[in-house]
Amino acid sequence: QLQLQESGPGLVKPSETLSLTCTVSGGSIRSSSYYWGWVRQPPGKGLEWIGSIYDMQTTYHNPSLRSRVTLYGDASKNQFSLKMSSVTAADTAVYYCARHRCSSSSCFKIYGMDVWGQGTTVTVSS
Amino acid sequence: DIQMTQSPSSVSASVGDRVTITCRASQGISSWLAWYQQKPGKAPKLLIYAASSLQSGGPSRFSGSGFGTDFTLTISSLQPEDSATYYCQQANSFPFTFGPGTKVDI
Repeated sequence: QLQLQESGPGLVKPSETLSLTCTVSGGSIRSSSYYWGWVRQPPGKGLEWIGSIYDMQTTYHNPSLRSRVTLYGDASKNQFSLKMSSVTAADTAVYYCARHRCSSSSCFKIYGMDVWGQGTTVTVSS
Repeated sequence: DIQMTQSPSSVSASVGDRVTITCRASQGISSWLAWYQQKPGKAPKLLIYAASSLQSGGPSRFSGSGFGTDFTLTISSLQPEDSATYYCQQANSFPFTFGPGTKVDI
């Protein structure tokens, strides 16, 4: 059974870089049938897509965050990671990693995010 | 970006009631819409994909419909465990966007 687990510091200072890793177990991150991505949820608010990576090299980002976000994958460790620079209090949120199921082998479209990590809380504060 | 709206923002209903949630996209997204259920302190759970396909393991009382810009999620007979917030998400194009959520209270 596929499982995703987020890890990283729970407290980050303003203007610093937030780094999170998602470790995948029970399946390979190399599979071309899935995207792998990040979603966040500020306290008491809704869901915001951050970005996704496909085939360990193709990345897509939310334009509202694009210049601050870097996504990368490490197939040898079966992990993918998120770096977000110049964080502010507005980046305080629960961060989830999630698998996106492709609708076909070409992964031109996805069906949805079918497996999620439990989420990790990141607080930006001095 | 494609904007997603949902109505109502919250609904209170009784066990056994039929509940319908509406989601609207700012432009046509064909059937590329997913619905999620989120309970407090938990990760979202995929309920419906491709607008009307029930995710494996999902209760059959949940159903989805719609095409283009207008979509609905229906709970045919509300159960106590359905108390949660429901989000729609367009999967037609990047950036993926979610609706603001609908809170369902029993």
